[in-house]
Amino acid sequence: GEGVGLHLPTLSVQEGDNSIINCAYSNSASDYFIWYKQESGKGPQFIIDIRSNMDKRQGQRVTVLLNKTVKHLSLQIAATQPGDSAVYFCAESQGGSEKLVFGKGTKLTVNP
Amino acid sequence: NAGVMQNPRHLVRRRGQEARLRCSPMKGHSHVYWYRQLPEEGLKFMVYLQKENIIDESGMPKERFSAEFPKEGPSILRIQQVVRGDSAAYFCASSPPGLRNTGELFFGEGSRLTVL
Repeated sequence: GEGVGLHLPTLSVQEGDNSIINCAYSNSASDYFIWYKQESGKGPQFIIDIRSNMDKRQGQRVTVLLNKTVKHLSLQIAATQPGDSAVYFCAESQGGSEKLVFGKGTKLTVNP
Repeated sequence: NAGVMQNPRHLVRRRGQEARLRCSPMKGHSHVYWYRQLPEEGLKFMVYLQKENIIDESGMPKERFSAEFPKEGPSILRIQQVVRGDSAAYFCASSPPGLRNTGELFFGEGSRLTVL
């Protein structure tokens, strides 16, 4: 597909479990990646970003891992909560461009 | 969703009519981006503007679509002679000096266009 894609369209987890959302990208020139969360009827919300000179970056309850060798990106959410239920998109920026290329998204459902 | 204002939130048009979507960026932001999202899809880049300048319109359809960001007032995405395939959510985002410097875009809530 174009640019960025995801392995799974849906993910269902139990509250308190850790979630891992995966993303594959195809453009070796991509050097900047962002994860967004989109709740129903709302705009995307920035979660965390990572540049290609890094392998890992941590935020509050979230970690992004970047494997440039296999062009793979993942988002880990620790102690998943019902409020984490949303669609998660990865996006890439291709070498100097201001525009982002988004994947199709993974719908995360957190069961109580 | 920190302060980017889009209106209208919902717009219904008949085929052949014009649609105008407005976006007021966050205070102090001079860069605006428009993205389109079809149901169950990711966002697709359309255009990137700075005040009075179109920087990158590589995602804009060649016909019927235009965008502007005047010196005063909101950014406008204009769709002429709408067709059913234009039905989508249109998101505006803004940033201060530019994506790579800030590391994130601030998205609005979107304008949902339905073409009958």
